Amino acid sequence: RKEVEQDPGPFNVPEGATVAFNCTYSNSASQSFFWYRQDCRKEPKLLMSVYSSGNEDGRFTAQLNRASQYISLLIRDSKLSDSATYLCAVNPNTGGFKTIFGAGTRLFVKA
Amino acid sequence: DTGVSQDPRHKITKRGQNVTFRCDPISEHNRLYWYRQTLGQGPEFLTYFQNEAQLEKSRLLSDRFSAERPKGSFSTLEIQRTEQGDSAMYLCASSASGTAYGYTFGSGTRLTVV
Repeated sequence: RKEVEQDPGPFNVPEGATVAFNCTYSNSASQSFFWYRQDCRKEPKLLMSVYSSGNEDGRFTAQLNRASQYISLLIRDSKLSDSATYLCAVNPNTGGFKTIFGAGTRLFVKA
Repeated sequence: DTGVSQDPRHKITKRGQNVTFRCDPISEHNRLYWYRQTLGQGPEFLTYFQNEAQLEKSRLLSDRFSAERPKGSFSTLEIQRTEQGDSAMYLCASSASGTAYGYTFGSGTRLTVV
């Protein structure tokens, strides 16, 4: 089983739609969680950290479910500019500070 | 200091040659990471430094790969005797101390081994 797994998609949604992605992680001791956005042929950019209590940044909401070992990202009122690959990232807390990335979920927002 | 810088942006090399990449992190960040990414995959961890100390290396990092961070500032990643399977985007990232901080990535070095 991979340490971090995501549905690769693609998710094709119309502008204005709400879309949600999940990401599962295998190590129950994992302690830090993040969502990154990656545009085609560009570097990943930090979108938001995921806190135990959940957090929201504008149209984006991230949640953590420790019992089921997954994190989620909800995008409301999708814009064309939201089209990208969304990477989930987890610090597995195995004694170091590395972060393990999922393979990403591709999102296409259509006009 | 506007971000993480990587050089070169692109490198084409013949199989068997050695290549070296450079990364300049954000100056306030004491942690520096190297990742490798291939098409359709997420970044794969290679190694990381805290200041000048290399604290962890992935099993992906064969003996042909070596990384240094002299004086805890910039870092270099060298690949000796390159193979076609080394073709990938090599990403450098830096972060502040503390597990709650995400990474700032550089634009990457795209390596093509022919």
